[in-house]
Amino acid sequence: GESVGLHLPTLSVQEGDNSIINCAYSNSASDYFIWYKQESGKGPQFIIDIRSNMDKRQGQRVTVLLNKTVKHLSLQIAATQPGDSAVYFCAENTGSARQLTFGSGTQLTVLP
Amino acid sequence: NAGVMQNPRHLVRRRGQEARLRCSPMKGHSHVYWYRQLPEEGLKFMVYLQKENIIDESGMPKERFSAEFPKEGPSILRIQQVVRGDSAAYFCASSQTPVDGREAFFGQGTRLTVV
Repeated sequence: GESVGLHLPTLSVQEGDNSIINCAYSNSASDYFIWYKQESGKGPQFIIDIRSNMDKRQGQRVTVLLNKTVKHLSLQIAATQPGDSAVYFCAENTGSARQLTFGSGTQLTVLP
Repeated sequence: NAGVMQNPRHLVRRRGQEARLRCSPMKGHSHVYWYRQLPEEGLKFMVYLQKENIIDESGMPKERFSAEFPKEGPSILRIQQVVRGDSAAYFCASSQTPVDGREAFFGQGTRLTVV
């Protein structure tokens, strides 16, 4: 079946460094992708999205890259801060009711 | 404007009991989505409701689970005769229009523990 998955379950970075979180998807028909941040004990929080007619989108300290050729999505966080420590999920908008299909998540830990 | 409110935050039930999880969407939102999250996994879609209607329940287990979103009051996810495997975090999200990611806001979830 179709799925959205992540390459690495955990990622540790030094404070101030850049972080890159990767995601692979298998549904070539997907046209919309979202990155969420989930802190411990909280619900997912929208970070940034991208549509399939784009290959890059930038937000505040975050950039999402989409490579449709290899069906790969990445989230780049510039100058990572302790508050960025969380689990990051990629998701695609799919289904007739446009429900979200989530990957399994990457735990980002920012080291002092 | 309060965010999506879920209660209770934590719920403990013995096997065989019923669990009722409530979700009050953001003001003005008429679309509600329920997701289940097992430990160290991503969220899995369960059901999508609009006021008084179930739009898509393709992710809902066929037995013991039901959901409603009445004209007045919160959306309710009901699990009858709970089993240990139902232990998970249950999140709801709401939106003004059918969810397109950016416009969906999640609650803080209800953590169900079945003992």
